[in-house]
Amino acid sequence: GEDVEQSLFLSVREGDSSVINCTYTDSSSTYLYWYKQEPGAGLQLLTYIFSNMDMKQDQRLTVLLNKKDKHLSLRIADTQTGDSAIYFCAEKGTGGFKTIFGAGTRLFVKA
Amino acid sequence: GAVVSQHPSRVICKSGTSVKIECRSLDFQATTMFWYRQFPKQSLMLMATSNEGSKATYEQGVEKDKFLINHASLTLSTLTVASAHPEDSSFYICSARDPQAGGVGEQYFGPGTRLTVT
Repeated sequence: GEDVEQSLFLSVREGDSSVINCTYTDSSSTYLYWYKQEPGAGLQLLTYIFSNMDMKQDQRLTVLLNKKDKHLSLRIADTQTGDSAIYFCAEKGTGGFKTIFGAGTRLFVKA
Repeated sequence: GAVVSQHPSRVICKSGTSVKIECRSLDFQATTMFWYRQFPKQSLMLMATSNEGSKATYEQGVEKDKFLINHASLTLSTLTVASAHPEDSSFYICSARDPQAGGVGEQYFGPGTRLTVT
């Protein structure tokens, strides 16, 4: 079945760049997403990439997709303390409706 | 963007009681709603998919008699945890799909409900 994996923890200094990595198994994924979850809150869609794209930039966020290796990454430039949260990688599965989530990467930003 | 609300945001109940959680799409009609469960420091686990006016489709391992889902209207789905036990304590998140939106980001998430069963 579909699976999405990501590292569980990342710590960076304020002002540095953060790179969160994700791998997935479903080669027929159409959309891949990055969600942000702050403590005690629901999920906020940060950005997404369509499977026929290699890269997408949106202000401080850069998404890179290597479809051959089924690898997705999220780069946050000039990371701020307000970026501290859990970041979930997700993909739209073959069923078209289900979104499969990774376990989440907890980003900790040190001042 | 589209808004999905959940009520209550937090609930504490005694073991053996039933708890109802509501999920509403506030500015769109959601033909499909999803219920997720999130354990501490873990990912979201899809529990069930509900389509308005029909029975919910439960994921493998989710007890349909325990987690009762009703999607009675295009803007409201409810999850009832029947005869709750401490192991049901968790963060429950609903999501609603806006069929009018494109294929991107059309699944909007509620803020979650933290259930604590004592």
